[in-house]
Order: sequence, then C-alpha cells, then structure tokens
Amino acid sequence: ETGVTQTPRHLVMGMTNKKSLKCEQHLGHNAMYWYKQSAKKPLELMFVYNFKEQTENNSVPSRFSPECPNSSHLFLHLHTLQPEDSALYLCASSQGWTQNTEAFFGQGTRLTVV
Amino acid sequence: QQQVKQSPQSLIVQKGGISIINCAYENTAFDYFPWYQQFPGKGPALLIAIRPDVSEKKEGRFTISFNKSAKQFSLHIMDSQPGDSATYFCAASGETSGSRLTFGEGTQLTVNP
Repeated sequence: ETGVTQTPRHLVMGMTNKKSLKCEQHLGHNAMYWYKQSAKKPLELMFVYNFKEQTENNSVPSRFSPECPNSSHLFLHLHTLQPEDSALYLCASSQGWTQNTEAFFGQGTRLTVV
Repeated sequence: QQQVKQSPQSLIVQKGGISIINCAYENTAFDYFPWYQQFPGKGPALLIAIRPDVSEKKEGRFTISFNKSAKQFSLHIMDSQPGDSATYFCAASGETSGSRLTFGEGTQLTVNP
C-alpha cells in the first residue's frame, strides 16, 4: 500500500482503557505529524516529529503519548481519555520539516471514548 | 487564537455554478497557502497551493486568488460539479514553522445536480 496508512480506522474505548493508534508512511518522508479533527473546528496540530525527533508538542495533555521509532512509523498511545477526546485523529507526513512542502494525510482513525 | 479564518461554513451551489470560499490570516510570516479537499471517510488531500509572490494561481477549474495587503486568499471553483462536493480547508504556514500547517475551520460544499 502506498501513501500514509493509519490503523485502526475506527476505535471505541472506555475511559480506563489503553490503546494505540498506528501510522505508517511509504513516501520516504522525514517529518510526521498527528492532527486532531473535531466537528466544526480547525484541524489541530498535536505533535511533530522530524527525523524521529519530536520538534513540537502543542500543549497536548499527557494522556496522549506519541512515539516515533523510525521515520516511517508513528504511534499515538492513549490512556485514561475523556469523552471530549472523541474525534478523528489524522496522521500526516511531509518531505521535510524546514520546507513548506505538501503534507500527505492518512484516512484517519475515528476515535470514540465512552 | 484562530490565525486563519474561513468562510462560509457551508455552501450550496448548483451544478455549473461558481463556488467561492474565503480565508483571512493574521500572521504576516505566513508564506505558503494551500487548500485541502476532504471527502467523507478520507483524509485531507492537497488541491492547490499558492505563495505570496503571485496574486493568482489556476489549475484546471480551481483558482486561488491572493491579496497580500489584505491578508486574504480565496478558492474559486469554476463550473462546479457534484463530484466537487466535499469539505475544503484553507491553511497557511511560514518559513519559521516549516510544514506545520494552521488550518481554517473548513467549508462544507454541496453541489446540486
């Protein structure tokens, strides 16, 4: 599969659960991102990784924990989430962090916290 | 603090008509302005982008108009088709922010047959 792949596509979890979202990019990019998309709100940048190093954490609560083991894979570990965390979580990648280059998005994981 | 404001929230256009979506930004350091198109169940995909050294960019039926002094840019979809029905997001980034995009709130476009 090409492009940016996210799994799972849908996830329902209780507030006490621990789960992880996975993102894989097959584009040879060096930068990867997590965005949160809520209804009627702009996409919110959560985390940025450049060459596996976290370059930005946008004041995201600690119940969201990112992990980037290599330039092709990005995880978002979730624990003790709140119902307001229900949203579409989008992973994206781009050629580099320092250039204004196109960001390629995955299809997202639709998360529901019950 | 919303740095990119987008309007309208929703837009209904007849087939063959012109769809116009507007965005305004605050940060004068922004120098890259892409538009993304998102279909239901899909992630956003780059549609067209412009840099402030030109006032207009056209790709097929899609045109970006850019007004640097007013800090505004807009997307025009000519001869709108039902297949254009999607959510459109404007975004902006700057040299100091790299590919970190600041998005508008999105416009849900419906093109009626």
